[in-house]
Amino acid sequence: ETGVTQTPRHLVMGMTNKKSLKCEQHLGHNAMYWYKQSAKKPLELMFVYSLEERVENNSVPSRFSPECPNSSHLFLHLHTLQPEDSALYLCASSQDPSGRAVDTQYFGPGTRLTVL
Amino acid sequence: GESVGLHLPTLSVQEGDNSIINCAYSNSASDYFIWYKQESGKGPQFIIDIRSNMDKRQGQRVTVLLNKTVKHLSLQIAATQPGDSAVYFCAEGRKGSSNTGKLIFGQGTTLQVKP
Repeated sequence: ETGVTQTPRHLVMGMTNKKSLKCEQHLGHNAMYWYKQSAKKPLELMFVYSLEERVENNSVPSRFSPECPNSSHLFLHLHTLQPEDSALYLCASSQDPSGRAVDTQYFGPGTRLTVL
Repeated sequence: GESVGLHLPTLSVQEGDNSIINCAYSNSASDYFIWYKQESGKGPQFIIDIRSNMDKRQGQRVTVLLNKTVKHLSLQIAATQPGDSAVYFCAEGRKGSSNTGKLIFGQGTTLQVKP
């Protein structure tokens, strides 16, 4: 176990549904990340939160809405998704990237999302 | 541009042999490099990292080599075991637009260990 948990592990939703993915880290880290992993493509960074503030949004469509209520929890709210959004969504955390060299990111197990 | 590439999508080795997985990166400003292992149904798991002020770092059965001259990174696994079968990703790290750490990932090499 890496100290990063994600729920649910699997999710099937229709295009008109609204759902949320949850991530929790037990490592005392200050930065959290959402990545999308599609087949045969590198991991795509979606959002970065540092000290609960969103510091990076990599041109992600507005149908994905992140929320970071505190440094241990990260959510990804989903609405009106498309079938091409089906992928493995990974959460990661790191110590504190602000003003320092890049830190190791520790990943959760991911949520396997299928959009019908 | 931002790209990290691995030379081979699949590597097949005999159990007990040494494995070498290669990676090329494009941005000379990157100062941190990391290897992850991803088994089926799991998230990427940290294996080993190296900063740009080093050219070699060793862990338990793994060694990472960094050649900044040709922007090349490799992961060596000694005495490969069936449990090493997985997808291996390299990533290069540098500061992002907002001074946060950013990792750029390669596509991954699938390591298959034959008994």
